[in-house]
Amino acid sequence: DIQMTQSPSSLSASVGDRVTITCRASQSISNYLNWYQQKPGKAPKVLIYDASSLQSGVPSRFSGSGSGTDFTLTISSLQPEDFATYYCQQTHTIPTFGQGTKVEIK
Amino acid sequence: QLQLQESGPGLVKPSETLSLTCTVAGGSVTSRSYYWGWIRQPPGKGLEWIGSMYYSGSTYYNPSLKSRVAISVDTSKNQFSLKVNSVTAADTAVYYCVRGEGSSSGKTDYWGQGTLVTVSS
Repeated sequence: DIQMTQSPSSLSASVGDRVTITCRASQSISNYLNWYQQKPGKAPKVLIYDASSLQSGVPSRFSGSGSGTDFTLTISSLQPEDFATYYCQQTHTIPTFGQGTKVEIK
Repeated sequence: QLQLQESGPGLVKPSETLSLTCTVAGGSVTSRSYYWGWIRQPPGKGLEWIGSMYYSGSTYYNPSLKSRVAISVDTSKNQFSLKVNSVTAADTAVYYCVRGEGSSSGKTDYWGQGTLVTVSS
């Protein structure tokens, strides 16, 4: 299995802050990396695919970068509706997820 | 607009078989462009990929669950199903049925609302 490690596990931030979440793969996955947002009691929704492509309908304040083993999700200016848990997912092989990063209000 | 809806028992006894069905509306399980699969999330924990299948019949399972899991499709009803054998309390989770891109990114772009399955006697 390819292990995905996210950091941090949680963070506190204020509205307007720039937020960065990282995801590291245990082996190279090229750009087969997707990012999801999950709010309490809801199913996740895809934000970024292919490491850096913005899913249709997702605000442009979300961006992704990276390739190989190291990836980043950035929220350029945190909005109230962005407080949620974020997961990375590799699809280079049988998919696996990172453990999640909870973004909380500071 | 594609919609996925899980159905099945919310309570399963230990050692028995968990069976769930996903009904697809607004799309077809026979589409060759997508995979259909299952993801689960234990209460308060992260996401775990269970497995997926393509219309070609190819199936791919999480190695940690492979010996206990089967995914199948019923094209006449536009549904696909999940069976997990010999369940234990560790199988208690919200189970999501999903659709994803069959090539390139493999992103999971549609999710059901999820159904909680509790394993308990």
